[in-house]
Amino acid sequence: AQTVTQSQPEMSVQEAETVTLSCTYDTSESDYYLFWYKQPPSRQMILVIRQEAYKQQNATENRFSVNFQKAAKSFSLKISDSQLGDAAMYFCAYRRYGATNKLIFGTGTLLAVQP
Amino acid sequence: EAGVTQSPTHLIKTRGQQATLRCSPISGHTSVYWYQQALGLGLQFLLWYDEGEERNRGNFPPRFSGRQFPNYSSELNVNALELEDSALYLCASSQRVTGAPFPYNEQFFGPGTRLTVL
Repeated sequence: AQTVTQSQPEMSVQEAETVTLSCTYDTSESDYYLFWYKQPPSRQMILVIRQEAYKQQNATENRFSVNFQKAAKSFSLKISDSQLGDAAMYFCAYRRYGATNKLIFGTGTLLAVQP
Repeated sequence: EAGVTQSPTHLIKTRGQQATLRCSPISGHTSVYWYQQALGLGLQFLLWYDEGEERNRGNFPPRFSGRQFPNYSSELNVNALELEDSALYLCASSQRVTGAPFPYNEQFFGPGTRLTVL
């Protein structure tokens, strides 16, 4: 069975600094998607970034980028120039290709941004 | 474009009662997913509906059921409520795409329904 592990329950970063959130996963599949979702206090889950496993190039969305290491089964999220609005719970998620289509989530990392 | 909507925002029930939660997907999305976010248990996949059919089910008892209507909106029903059913229930929707390696696009989430069972 696939699993997603986020080993950092809480992280803190100063405004304008850079922070990296860690995620590792376990799967025997070769084709899959990886995602980072953000859940602010409003509870709305917001898609931050996605990575297709078959793509070697790391995904980037403005201040958000990932470091995808397929062999190591690692998928970290880097937030550059952190802003107060980045404070939220961040979830790493995995989805395999195929009929199940379900997202498997990690336990989340609570990110605090200090002014 | 309107996002995924869920109703009600909060729902308070007593043990043994039934709860009905509703979800409207983003226009053009045919798939609806239900997830449970319970304290200490994280986000767990419940159900996936597409084109009116149940496509996949998570590891939950039959008390959890649902359906998808012709307009692609969905209902989640929880019968014989238990205290441990208290959680945030999130609905997500996705769009079927053609020509991609995988036929379903990423999932977009609604704001959730907070169910409290007393």
